[in-house]
Amino acid sequence: EADIYQTPRYLVIGTGKKITLECSQTMGHDKMYWYQQDPGMELHLIHYSYGVNSTEKGDLSSESTVSRIRTEHFPLTLESARPSHTSQYLCASSVRDRTHEQYFGPGTRLTVT
Amino acid sequence: GDSVTQMEGPVTLSEEAFLTINCTYTATGYPSLFWYVQYPGEGLQLLLKATKADDKGSNKGFEATYRKETTSFHLEKGSVQVSDSAVYFCALSEGNAGGTSYGKLTFGQGTILTVHP
Repeated sequence: EADIYQTPRYLVIGTGKKITLECSQTMGHDKMYWYQQDPGMELHLIHYSYGVNSTEKGDLSSESTVSRIRTEHFPLTLESARPSHTSQYLCASSVRDRTHEQYFGPGTRLTVT
Repeated sequence: GDSVTQMEGPVTLSEEAFLTINCTYTATGYPSLFWYVQYPGEGLQLLLKATKADDKGSNKGFEATYRKETTSFHLEKGSVQVSDSAVYFCALSEGNAGGTSYGKLTFGQGTILTVHP
């Protein structure tokens, strides 16, 4: 059983607010990822990290930012939320091996009103 | 670049029916292939994987075989249950490129499966 946690699970917030979505894993994985899942279910990689102090933008441009100060923690921040940010956000981590199997958290469903 | 194409859904079956969800891919190098499942309100869970050609991944009655000649990784189950109702994602990892493993996954668009009693 993978141990990767996301909080909050659900968030409803007004336009213009700053929010931080938390993601933590207890498996010691070097690599971590953030995905945005649209209502049509498709997954889009928005950020990833190879380790502490490493962050990269993913395939889908996003106004969010991430940080990786500790191995186990990979928070995502939106400085000013907008209705277009309404989505499901999934965090994942993976082991350092050739298979690149990823373990996912339960997700945060964000609604911006 | 790498891509994954899944059978379009939704797929609706009666309990105990046979399931096939098609998945084909385009990739360079030697990717690993995965099937993930997402139950309502949850994150993705790894269902099965295969790391090289002709490998068969299996779990909970589901199977998929890594076919390099047809670039496919079709998901099958002989007898589905109501509890199998979920969204299924086919995915591939980046193959090693010059010795560097990037670890990114490319996902298909997902297939909704609904099983009726």
